[in-house]
Amino acid sequence: AQSVAQPEDQVKVAEGNPLTVKCTYSVSGNPYLFWYVQYPNRGLQFLLKYITGDNLVKGSYGFEAEFNKSQTSFHLKKPSALVSDSALYFCAVRGVETDSWGKFQFGAGTQVVVTP
Amino acid sequence: EAQVTQNPRYLITVTGKKLTVTCSQNMNHEYMSWYRQDPGLGLRQIYYSMNVEVTDKGDVPEGYKVSRKEKRNFPLILESPSPNQTSLYFCASTTSPNSNTEAFFGQGTRLTVV
Repeated sequence: AQSVAQPEDQVKVAEGNPLTVKCTYSVSGNPYLFWYVQYPNRGLQFLLKYITGDNLVKGSYGFEAEFNKSQTSFHLKKPSALVSDSALYFCAVRGVETDSWGKFQFGAGTQVVVTP
Repeated sequence: EAQVTQNPRYLITVTGKKLTVTCSQNMNHEYMSWYRQDPGLGLRQIYYSMNVEVTDKGDVPEGYKVSRKEKRNFPLILESPSPNQTSLYFCASTTSPNSNTEAFFGQGTRLTVV
C-alpha cells in the first residue's frame, strides 16, 4: 500500500534563511507526488507536483521540490523564507496501485514557522 | 472563477441530530472526495466518487454517507453524529481519476458535535 511520511511536526527558520520541508514516500511503480499548503482557516492550496522528467520541480510562491528516486524522497524547498510562508504543509502521493487508483494519500503535515 | 464550495463553514450540533454538509464544484470534474483533517493525522479520505452515481468508501467511512446524483454536487451526510466526528472536513475535486492531476479543495467545514 502507498504511504507518505513527513518526519518533522514543525520546522522553524528565520526569515531570509533557506527552508526545507521533508517528505518520503512508499509506492509501487512510478509515484505522482504533490505538495499543498494550508493557511489558517483556509483550504489546501496546490503548490507543485512531480509526474515525470526533471527531478527539480518549480511551483508557486518561489517553492521548488526535489524528487530523489533512490531515497524515495520529495523534499520541498525555498531558498529564502518569508514570514508569510508560515503555514501547514502537506505532502501527498496520488494512487498508482490498483486498489488506490486516483486516491490521494497525505502525510501528517509539517507546521512551518518563519520568524522575523 | 474555478472553485469548490462547501457549506456551512462552521457547524455546532448535538449528538444524534442528522446533518448534511454540501459540496459543489464548477469545473465539470469527474472525481470528488471527502476528507477529514485531525491533528497529527493529516487528511484521511472518507468517501469518494469517480462519477455520477458511482461512490465508494475511503479509509474512514464509518458514520458517514454520500450521494452523487449530479456531477457538480457531492454532499456528506452524518445520519447520527457523535462527538468523535468533531473534525475539520474538506471536499475536493479533480478532473478524473487519472493520477497526474492535482486536486482542488473547498475552504473546509469545522464541525463540532457536543
